[in-house]
Amino acid sequence: EAGVTQFPSHSVIEKGQTVTLRCDPISGHDNLYWYRRVMGKEIKFLLHFVKESKQDESGMPNNRFLAERTGGTYSTLKVQPAELEDSGVYFCASSRGIKSTDTQYFGPGTRLTVL
Amino acid sequence: AQKITQTQPGMFVQEKEAVTLDCTYDTSDQSYGLFWYKQPSSGEMIFLIYQGSYDEQNATEGRYSLNFQKARKSANLVISASQLGDSAMYFCALRWGGFKTIFGAGTRLFVKA
Repeated sequence: EAGVTQFPSHSVIEKGQTVTLRCDPISGHDNLYWYRRVMGKEIKFLLHFVKESKQDESGMPNNRFLAERTGGTYSTLKVQPAELEDSGVYFCASSRGIKSTDTQYFGPGTRLTVL
Repeated sequence: AQKITQTQPGMFVQEKEAVTLDCTYDTSDQSYGLFWYKQPSSGEMIFLIYQGSYDEQNATEGRYSLNFQKARKSANLVISASQLGDSAMYFCALRWGGFKTIFGAGTRLFVKA
């Protein structure tokens, strides 16, 4: 079974530009999550999809961030326009269910650097 | 409010020895899960072990075991017979209310040859 994949692995952009991150969850996992780890800080929840619906987007920092999951398969996270403080590692995770017992499997992350 | 704490920013261990990474948590929920993830230098987050709040036995997965002390609200990770490849960042995570998850600050483990 293939794991969670993310693309790109690294992205370096200038302030004001747009970047789109992609996440492909494990096949059959309805639940998809985005997290972010800013340098030196803790991993923070951004949002959660159940299939194509946003279940919780309370962690999204501001309206420059837009996440989509069309068709309930892969998801994209767009940052527009990017700011310096957006730099960090963006992780995607997926799980089959949403019980506290359900393991979230993480992708390798996308390291975003905004110059 | 839920909280999770890893008090050891860095740990050293000699190869082949055991090491314990500390994790304490706080939650008012009765049903929750505790997870440990390993993040090697390559950056990916690798799931290691899980403990449910209602599990009476401590979880074990190969060389990893979770020392779960519910009354103390601690869920320490024990790695037996450390290997050089165990050098990595380790995160403890608390999951409750279904999908809500918070992570500790992480502990960087260095295994010495």
